[in-house]
Amino acid sequence: RKEVEQDPGPFNVPEGATVAFNCTYSNSASQSFFWYRQDCRKEPKLLMSVYSSGNEDGRFTAQLNRASQYISLLIRDSKLSDSATYLCVVTIFTDKLIFGTGTRLQVFP
Amino acid sequence: DARVTQTPRHKVTEMGQEVTMRCQPILGHNTVFWYRQTMMQGLELLAYFRNRAPLDDSGMPKDRFSAEMPDATLATLKIQPSEPRDSAVYFCASGWRQRQYNEQFFGPGTRLTVL
Repeated sequence: RKEVEQDPGPFNVPEGATVAFNCTYSNSASQSFFWYRQDCRKEPKLLMSVYSSGNEDGRFTAQLNRASQYISLLIRDSKLSDSATYLCVVTIFTDKLIFGTGTRLQVFP
Repeated sequence: DARVTQTPRHKVTEMGQEVTMRCQPILGHNTVFWYRQTMMQGLELLAYFRNRAPLDDSGMPKDRFSAEMPDATLATLKIQPSEPRDSAVYFCASGWRQRQYNEQFFGPGTRLTVL
C-alpha cells in the first residue's frame, strides 16, 4: 500500500465549477501536510500547507482530518489556469516529503 | 527571484554511460534533495543533505547512483553505469529547516533518457 494515496483523475470540470480532491495517508505519525501543484512538464511548487484547523487561501481551501488520516483540497470558481496535477504531500518526523502520485485537473471553457 | 538551477535540462545517453547531473540550490538554503519522477512511481526521494552532510540516501540504488555536495553551491547526482530503467525526470530541491515548516523549492529538472 502506498503511503499517500490519491485518485489520479483526470477531473474534467467547466470554468466556474467547484472541485474537491481527496488524499489518504497511511502513517498515523505523519506530522506536516501540504498540497503541491505541478504543471505539465514543470517542477512541483508549493500550493499551500494544510493545518489541523483547516485553512483557506483565496479560492483554495485545505482540510485535514487526523482521525481518518484524510486530507482534502477544495477549489472554488475554477479557472482555466487551475489545470494542473495536484500532489498531496506528508512528512513524518523529518524533512522527507512523501508525495502522492497526484490528481490531474483539467478545466475547460 | 532566487531559483534552484539544474544542468543539463535534457540528457540522452546510451546504456552503460556515466551521467552527471548538477544542481545549484538557492543561496542560504541548508537542505538539498534529489528526487526522481516517473509516470509509474511518481516522485521518489533519492537522497538529501543538510549543511552538505548526507542525511538519507535510502531511496537511491547504491550500486550505480552516488550523490555529493562538494560545496554549498553545488550538488551532484551521478549514475554509473546508466540503464534504460533510469530514464526519468530528476529534480533537485532546496529548503531550510525552520521549525516544522519545510517548504522545498524545486529546480526545473533534468529529463534523462537512457537508450
